[in-house]
Amino acid sequence: AQSVSQHNHHVILSEAASLELGCNYSYGGTVNLFWYVQYPGQHLQLLLKYFSGDPLVKGIKGFEAEFIKSKFSFNLRKPSVQWSDTAEYFCAVNAGNYGGSQGNLIFGKGTKLSVKP
Amino acid sequence: DGGITQSPKYLFRKEGQNVTLSCEQNLNHDAMYWYRQDPGQGLRLIYYSQIVNDFQKGDIAEGYSVSREKKESFPLTVTSAQKNPTAFYLCASKEGSEQFFGPGTRLTVL
Repeated sequence: AQSVSQHNHHVILSEAASLELGCNYSYGGTVNLFWYVQYPGQHLQLLLKYFSGDPLVKGIKGFEAEFIKSKFSFNLRKPSVQWSDTAEYFCAVNAGNYGGSQGNLIFGKGTKLSVKP
Repeated sequence: DGGITQSPKYLFRKEGQNVTLSCEQNLNHDAMYWYRQDPGQGLRLIYYSQIVNDFQKGDIAEGYSVSREKKESFPLTVTSAQKNPTAFYLCASKEGSEQFFGPGTRLTVL
């Protein structure tokens, strides 16, 4: 079955530390890739997305992600985290009609990030 | 101001009662979705609708029902057949490949 894996359930960092959250997916064809963020008590909102072109994509609030097709990965990075980045982060993949997914988003289980001031 | 609204924000029901969660969007999107979010489980798809008067089961449709009589509205009914209904429910609509989410409804069944 198609799946999206996020390797870390909970990451704890101090302010100014660098962040990398892993995301791997199991689809073999063309994919659209997303990172969503859910701040405490707020909507799920889009952080960044990759459809095609430059595999290094920039998002809001200094986040970026790199699509590595050969590794089926789309890891999220930020050079220096802030306390306000404390949130839950979800990787999601749209694989079109591959494997019966009918263009729906498949989400990873999420990674909670806690940033200590 | 365009967006997706879900009401109510918190909902409490007694075991054995059906309950309907509201989702409205004014983004003029054709496709709408219902997800369930549980701690450590991510978002799991309950039902989706690509167009008015049509909807499809997602991965965890058992114990749920939906309707799509209007483009703007996609209500979800949690029936008494749902074994573990206490959860956070998210509604979304889609433009192209990108989904936009509502604020969610937290349902607690007592």
